[in-house]
Amino acid sequence: EPEVTQTPSHQVTQMGQEVILRCVPISNHLYFYWYRQILGQKVEFLVSFYNNEISEKSEIFDDQFSVERPDGSNFTLKIRSTKLEDSAMYFCASSVRDSEKLFFGSGTQLSVL
Amino acid sequence: QKEVEQDPGPLSVPEGAIVSLNCTYSNSAFQYFMWYRQYSRKGPELLMYTYSSGNKEDGRFTAQVDKSSKYISLFIRDSQPSDSATYLCAMSPLGGTSYGKLTFGQGTILTVHP
Repeated sequence: EPEVTQTPSHQVTQMGQEVILRCVPISNHLYFYWYRQILGQKVEFLVSFYNNEISEKSEIFDDQFSVERPDGSNFTLKIRSTKLEDSAMYFCASSVRDSEKLFFGSGTQLSVL
Repeated sequence: QKEVEQDPGPLSVPEGAIVSLNCTYSNSAFQYFMWYRQYSRKGPELLMYTYSSGNKEDGRFTAQVDKSSKYISLFIRDSQPSDSATYLCAMSPLGGTSYGKLTFGQGTILTVHP
């Protein structure tokens, strides 16, 4: 069964460092998303991406965040200068079309020290 | 008032019990309603989705939506230990670019013991 793959599963970084979280969406999907879940809190929408541009973004997704689809298979989330409060589980998701049927990856646990 | 409210539990039931999970919401723009299941250290997995008020059944699972009351439910019949997980309700508005912009509830931790 096709699945969304995220790497790495755990990422530890120092405050102020740049991190790139990587995702390989399901191959025939066209819409891509990033969500995050701070420990003990709700899963929160960050950004949606289609046709090589951002469709929608939340208030959380400020200038420190960027997304990119560098090739035909990968989808990345970059945090330019990490803060302690960026520590969270980051989930990538994809869907066939602009749909509520999102398929999530297993997440990358980001720890900012 | 929070957009989506869900009792975090935890909820512990014996095997075979009927489980009822609920969410309330305040945003009338929400038109799509989903239930996700999340196992420990895994991403949310879509269980059921519905667009309209009423019931939708899939095997042991029934999703119920009451838009007039802004209330959704998930019922699990004949619960099994393998159903032990966190259950998340999620919602999104209709149209535009917002289908994939889901608003989640807090999640209810469910344990089904043998």
